[in-house]
Amino acid sequence: DAGVIQSPRHEVTEMGQEVTLRCKPISGHDYLFWYRQTMMRGLELLIYFNNNVPIDDSGMPEDRFSAKMPNASFSTLKIQPSEPRDSAVYFCASSFEDRAHGYTFGSGTRLTVV
Amino acid sequence: GESVGLHLPTLSVQEGDNSIINCAYSNSASDYFIWYKQESGKGPQFIIDIRSNMDKRQGQRVTVLLNKTVKHLSLQIAATQPGDSAVYFCADQTSGSRLTFGEGTQLTVNP
Repeated sequence: DAGVIQSPRHEVTEMGQEVTLRCKPISGHDYLFWYRQTMMRGLELLIYFNNNVPIDDSGMPEDRFSAKMPNASFSTLKIQPSEPRDSAVYFCASSFEDRAHGYTFGSGTRLTVV
Repeated sequence: GESVGLHLPTLSVQEGDNSIINCAYSNSASDYFIWYKQESGKGPQFIIDIRSNMDKRQGQRVTVLLNKTVKHLSLQIAATQPGDSAVYFCADQTSGSRLTFGEGTQLTVNP
């Protein structure tokens, strides 16, 4: 398996633009997590899905952030409109039956909003 | 004062020495603990885990110790190598909830 695949690896966008981050989880994993990592806050859980259904989005910072999982092999995290304070590395992770040793992280998307 | 960012604890060791990275957790109900390694430009990678009914678990060159009385977790790396240089995170989990990550420790291995 190629692991969790995220795209793009790097994204530079102007303030106010829409940004879409993509994730392909490991086949067979039934949990998908979106994390954000910054120097200020460390690693934060934004939202997670179980069997494609959003379970907890309490970590989503505000309404500008939205996430979808239309099927078991694809998820998106969208920021609209983007702001400079959204600059961070965004990680997607997947797991089977929500056991932590199965949390496999992608390589992340480094987002810079200028 | 204004926060300027997380101040990651750092540990610097000589190649070949043993490393000990410590972590404190706050939730006494946590029953599962994990250590992750994050190299520059990569996502966190699972190293070793331990359940609350154990106090020690060994892997290849790594040992995790759990002290539930003081809510403390440690990761020991034997014969540290340059490739071990990374940020190490502990994480804990309570049944039915999500992982909670610590702030991380930057390990630097000097040749």
